[in-house]
Amino acid sequence: AQSVTQPDIHITVSEGASLELRCNYSYGATPYLFWYVQSPGQGLQLLLKYFSGDTLVQGIKGFEAEFKRSQSSFNLRKPSVHWSDAAEYFCAVGSNTGFQKLVFGTGTRLLVSP
Amino acid sequence: GAGVSQTPSNKVTEKGKYVELRCDPISGHTALYWYRQSLGQGPEFLIYFQGTGAADDSGLPNDRFFAVRPEGSVSTLKIQRTERGDSAVYLCASSPGVLAGGPYEQYFGPGTRLTVT
Repeated sequence: AQSVTQPDIHITVSEGASLELRCNYSYGATPYLFWYVQSPGQGLQLLLKYFSGDTLVQGIKGFEAEFKRSQSSFNLRKPSVHWSDAAEYFCAVGSNTGFQKLVFGTGTRLLVSP
Repeated sequence: GAGVSQTPSNKVTEKGKYVELRCDPISGHTALYWYRQSLGQGPEFLIYFQGTGAADDSGLPNDRFFAVRPEGSVSTLKIQRTERGDSAVYLCASSPGVLAGGPYEQYFGPGTRLTVT
């Protein structure tokens, strides 16, 4: 069965500093991987996705993530955080048949300090 | 274009009552998903439709939960004899589906916050 671990419940980053949010997954084959962001009272917005090919993927709002098969990881990064990035971030894994359910991690809440 | 919409945005009901939650997917999307998000948790899968049929309902917690999609577009999640533990945000998502090739990401609606008192 698929599973996702986001080990950091909360992270606080100073505005302008770099960010890395960790995500580890468990899946028997090459998975499809996603990062979604959720602002308070809002639905989920897709930041980026990995299906195949280049293991470094670029997303919206200046985010990127790197798929590392050997570490079963898909960490999210941003070189310079803005106050508007404060939100909840969810990593998710889907099966490589492409059309089934997503399994989400428990999320990491990002706080941005001035 | 229009995204996934869900109604109502908030629903407060008494324990034991019946509720219906509606999802309007993106036009043309044949795949539709329901998830439930409890406070402080990530979304948890409930059911997946491909067209009119439920392709995977393994996430429905018990037989009080039921979902339909009779014409392959709008879907309704139905909860009978609601319990306080059903309180959560119910999220709907859609994607182009199997016949469109793919893979594709899922596009989420804003959710319905259900509170059972």
